Parts: sequence; C-alpha cells; structure tokens
Amino acid sequence: GNSVTQMEGPVTLSEEAFLTINCTYTATGYPSLFWYVQYPGEGLQLLLKATKADDKGSNKGFEATYRKETTSFHLEKGSVQVSDSAVYFCALERPTGANSKLTFGKGITLSVRP
Amino acid sequence: NAGVTQTPKFQVLKTGQSMTLQCAQDMNHNSMYWYRQDPGMGLRLIYYSASEGTTDKGEVPNGYNVSRLNKREFSLRLESAAPSQTSVYFCASRDRAYEQYFGPGTRLTVT
Repeated sequence: GNSVTQMEGPVTLSEEAFLTINCTYTATGYPSLFWYVQYPGEGLQLLLKATKADDKGSNKGFEATYRKETTSFHLEKGSVQVSDSAVYFCALERPTGANSKLTFGKGITLSVRP
Repeated sequence: NAGVTQTPKFQVLKTGQSMTLQCAQDMNHNSMYWYRQDPGMGLRLIYYSASEGTTDKGEVPNGYNVSRLNKREFSLRLESAAPSQTSVYFCASRDRAYEQYFGPGTRLTVT
C-alpha cells in the first residue's frame, strides 16, 4: 500500500537558518505529493504540491522537488522565520478519481527561535 | 466564503455518552473527509464521502458513524464514547485539483 515516511522530530532552529525536512514515500503508479502545514491551534493548509516527477512546488519561500528515482519530496527553505514555527506534514495521493485519499506522514514539529 | 466549518470547537464527554460532530463546506466540493489527529500518529482517516449519498470507511472507522446529509454537510457520530476516542477531529473537503481544505478542528476529551 501507500506510505509516507518523515524524518523524526522535533526540529529547533535559529531564525535565518536553512531548513530541510526529509520525506520519502512508497506508492504504486504516479502519486501527487503534498506538503501541508498546521499552525498552532489551526487546521492543516496546503503549503505546496507537485504532481509529476521533477516538478518543483514552491510557496512562501519553501520548495520541494518530486524525485521519482529516490522516491523523495524533501522540504527546504533558505532562511526560516519565527512565523514558520508549525507542524509540517508530507502526504501523497494517487489521483484515481472520487475515491482517492491522502496518505499522511506522522508530521514534524518545527520551532524557530529568534 | 467561510471554507470548512466545524462545530463544536471543544467538547468533554463521559464514557458511554454520544455526540455528533458537525462539518459544512461552502466550496461546492464533492468529496469530504473525517480525520483524527493523535500525538505521534499524524492524521488518520476515519470515514470519507466521495459524493453526496455515498460514504466509505477509512483507516480507523470503528466506533464511529457518518452521514452525508447533503453536498455541504458531513457529520461524524460517536454512539458510545470511549477514552480511546480522545483526540482532535478534523473535517476536510477536496477540490478537483486534489487539494484538501481543512476545518479548524474539534478537540474532544472523553473521561
């Protein structure tokens, strides 16, 4: 079946540090890949996505590249801010139509200190 | 445009009590979902509805029932709450580009 593995957390960084959060997946076919972010006390919201191999998703300074050869979708940001403190979830979905479902990783908590 | 709304925000139940969590979306999406979020477990799918009039089990359906009342509303019912159902519950709907939109969540405690 489908699965998503995220690196263990939590992660604590100083402001302006470089961020990498690893994500690898197992899936048949050609899934779409997503990063969702959850700010404290809120629901999840889509951060970025990529729908085919070698696509790069980007938003708010975050980037992730769909690497089919390594089955990875690592999230990066060049300079984190305190406001980036949140829980980050990697997810995949095989777009098979109305019954397709997201498979989430366990999430990783990022704390950015001033 | 409110997106996905959930009620209540917080709830405390005693073991054995029942309750219904309400969810509504105003984006005209066909697919809707219920998840639970527990520490270290990520999000796990309880039930989903691919379209009005259909519902299907997800990964952890035991102890729950759902109703897709119409295209907008998708409710989750706990018939006899147990402490293991203490969790944060999220409702979501999905657009045609496979992006899911989440509600703010319901924090449920069962004592």
